[in-house]
Amino acid sequence: TQLLEQSPQFLSIQEGENLTVYCNSSSVFSSLQWYRQEPGEGPVLLVTVVTGGEVKKLKRLTFQFGDARKDSSLHITAAQPGDTGLYLCAGAGPGYALNFGKGTSLLVTP
Amino acid sequence: NAGVTQTPKFQVLKTGQSMTLQCAQDMNHEYMSWYRQDPGMGLRLIHYSVGAGITDQGEVPNGYNVSRSTTEDFPLRLLSAAPSQTSVYFCASSYYVGGSMNTEAFFGQGTRLTVV
Repeated sequence: TQLLEQSPQFLSIQEGENLTVYCNSSSVFSSLQWYRQEPGEGPVLLVTVVTGGEVKKLKRLTFQFGDARKDSSLHITAAQPGDTGLYLCAGAGPGYALNFGKGTSLLVTP
Repeated sequence: NAGVTQTPKFQVLKTGQSMTLQCAQDMNHEYMSWYRQDPGMGLRLIHYSVGAGITDQGEVPNGYNVSRSTTEDFPLRLLSAAPSQTSVYFCASSYYVGGSMNTEAFFGQGTRLTVV
């Protein structure tokens, strides 16, 4: 099973700040996904990146896939309290299931 | 607009009891999977299915059984509950979008299980 390492594990910032979270692996991803999970809910897909060097934007969220497809980052500009949650990266697992990193827990305070 | 439905939402079991966590999806997805989520551990794959009648083990299968008799349902059975199985359990269904292993997964709201 491909090991996905996420950093930081916890992040507490104030509204309006920028932040970046990272997802790294020692092996190549065929594709990589980012999910957000709010308390008491299941994860929800934010984005899928497939091509090395790819950049995707979702409003204030920018996702980047490394050129070698071994790492990815999620950058949030001007964070808002509604961005609070657990951010998970995931690669392909067996049988179209997912292999998750341990997640970055983000708290944005007003 | 149900998506993936998990029942129950909360459950307390005594050590040694058995139970079944239900999961149903109404999106006609081929692929379904079960995960457990523990603090600081992310989501770990328990069992998965690539279609009716086909199941296989994930990373942490011990103590759990699954079956997939229909496309819609994928129940997870705990044979003899142990305190180590205290966790939040998520069921997901997914479909193949295209390209390299490109699937989109939809998750239920989870079952919070406590074994005492």
